[in-house]
Amino acid sequence: RKEVEQDPGPFNVPEGATVAFNCTYSNSASQSFFWYRQDCRKEPKLLMSVYSSGNEDGRFTAQLNRASQYISLLIRDSKLSDSATYLCVVSDSSASKIIFGSGTRLSIRP
Amino acid sequence: GAVVSQHPSWVICKSGTSVKIECRSLDFQATTMFWYRQFPKQSLMLMATSNEGSKATYEQGVEKDKFLINHASLTLSTLTVTSAHPEDSSFYICSARPGQANEKLFFGSGTQLSVL
Repeated sequence: RKEVEQDPGPFNVPEGATVAFNCTYSNSASQSFFWYRQDCRKEPKLLMSVYSSGNEDGRFTAQLNRASQYISLLIRDSKLSDSATYLCVVSDSSASKIIFGSGTRLSIRP
Repeated sequence: GAVVSQHPSWVICKSGTSVKIECRSLDFQATTMFWYRQFPKQSLMLMATSNEGSKATYEQGVEKDKFLINHASLTLSTLTVTSAHPEDSSFYICSARPGQANEKLFFGSGTQLSVL
């Protein structure tokens, strides 16, 4: 089993739709969680950190479920510019081990 | 925000040559930098963790003699792909974090290596 698993997609949704995807992790000692966005042949860019209480940044909402060991990302009112690959990142308490999920491809159509 | 500069952005070389990629933290000191490789439509795969002033820590399956890492200062780490072969063609990305554990990672812009 992979340490961090994501549905590779692609998710193909119309502009304006709400889309959500999950990321599961196997190490219960994981402490830090992030969502990164990566455009084709570009470096990943931090989208948002994921906090235990959940957090929201504009149209984006991230949630953490420690009991079930998954994090989620919800995108509301999706825009064409949201088309990208979304990477789930999990690290342990010392951040000595940082694991990337394989990414979920999202494509927003007009 | 923190800036990480990676150079070159792309390189084409003949099989058997060596290629050096630089990763610089421009506005912070990074005792630790990470080197990743990404094949098309695949995720980032950690190759090694570069530690300033000491030997790099390589992930399983990554040949340390082929991928030489030097982290001689707090702002610069280099990755040298020695005797490159076509199968080494990939997108290489470095990252660094400005602080202690749990700080966010900042990435270089990546280097697309094509070995002919």
